[in-house]
Amino acid sequence: QVQMQESGPGLVKPSETLSLTCTVSGGSITNSDYYWGWIRQPPGRGLEWIGYIYYTGSNHYNPSLKSRVTISMDTPRNQFSLKLTSVTAADTAVYYCARDSLGTTGADLWGQGTLVTVSS
Amino acid sequence: EIVLTQSPATLSLSPGDRATLSCRASQSVTTYLAWYQQRPGQAPRLLIYDASNRATGIPARFSGSGSGTDFSLTISSLEPEDFAVYYCQQRRTWPPITFGQGTRLEI
Repeated sequence: QVQMQESGPGLVKPSETLSLTCTVSGGSITNSDYYWGWIRQPPGRGLEWIGYIYYTGSNHYNPSLKSRVTISMDTPRNQFSLKLTSVTAADTAVYYCARDSLGTTGADLWGQGTLVTVSS
Repeated sequence: EIVLTQSPATLSLSPGDRATLSCRASQSVTTYLAWYQQRPGQAPRLLIYDASNRATGIPARFSGSGSGTDFSLTISSLEPEDFAVYYCQQRRTWPPITFGQGTRLEI
């Protein structure tokens, strides 16, 4: 059974870089059937897609965040990571890692989410 | 960017009722549409993929329909655990993948 778990600091200062890691267990992130990525949800609000990475290393990012976002993979550790630079209070959110099938529409596996607060 | 508009924003029903939630796209997404359920404090859960296919383990009372720009999620007979927030999502034209703003289903 594949599981995903986010980890990283829960508090980041304004203008600094938010860094999160998603550890995948029970399956490989080099599986060519899936995208792996990040989705966030500000408190009390809806879902916002951040970006995906494919096992080849190719990325797709939300244009609204593209200049600040990097998603990378660490295949030996079966992890992928999110970096978001120059954060502001607007980046305060629950950050989810998720798996999305290449051939169908819908992210079928999610981590439990981690709250990141941007505050001095 | 494709905008998804969900209606109504809030739907008030009782257990045993039939619920119909709507999602309208600003341009055609053919059937590249998914529905999710999110309970308080939990991650979203995939209910329907490709507009009308139930995800693994999803009860038969959940069904999805539509194509192009107009989609529906129907819950045939509401159970207490179905009261939650529901989101639609498209992946026809991306990036970005976009979500609707959500429909809150309340008792």
